[in-house]
Amino acid sequence: NAGVTQTPKFQVLKTGQSMTLQCAQDMNHNSMYWYRQDPGMGLRLIYYSASEGTTDKGEVPNGYNVSRLNKREFSLRLESAAPSQTSVYFCASSPRGDRVIGTEAFFGQGTRLTVV
Amino acid sequence: KNQVEQSPQSLIILEGKNCTLQCNYTVSPFSNLRWYKQDTGRGPVSLTIMTFSENTKSNGRYTATLDADTKQSSLHITASQLSDSASYICVVSFANDYKLSFGAGTTVTVRA
Repeated sequence: NAGVTQTPKFQVLKTGQSMTLQCAQDMNHNSMYWYRQDPGMGLRLIYYSASEGTTDKGEVPNGYNVSRLNKREFSLRLESAAPSQTSVYFCASSPRGDRVIGTEAFFGQGTRLTVV
Repeated sequence: KNQVEQSPQSLIILEGKNCTLQCNYTVSPFSNLRWYKQDTGRGPVSLTIMTFSENTKSNGRYTATLDADTKQSSLHITASQLSDSASYICVVSFANDYKLSFGAGTTVTVRA
């Protein structure tokens, strides 16, 4: 099984450009998440989708939009990239969300994005 | 202020030695606590997960402890190996929603 697959793995954008980060999971999980990881900081939640058809803002949603295309796919879009969005982005999924004790989150390998 | 604080920020140990990483949290109400290992350039991978009623969980040479009263957890690595060099992240989840609160991680370097 592939688990959680993110594309691309690396990307360089110019300020003001747009792009979409793709994420797909093959574990039939209901919940999916987008995080960013910056040096010296814990992962911060950008957006999450508790189930197909629903999305909610996390801690740092400004400058991003998401689409839960179907149960498998959850994309993150930067409409007008800024240098402050230079980061490593991780997609994650979990079976039923953290309301269920013992649920684990599975992470993709990350997308390293640089905005110049 | 981050609700999950980890210490130390980094440490270096010799191969074969033991080490202990600390995690203090203020998340409330608390659901569960996880430790993840993140190799350089990779996504985090789960090591252990504990609910509030558990106080220890092992995964091979990794042993996690939890004191829900003091809101402290530790991760003990026994007989370290070069492959243990990684960042170890403490993650706490809220009881009422889907969100996870991440610590900044402890970077462990194991030297031969």
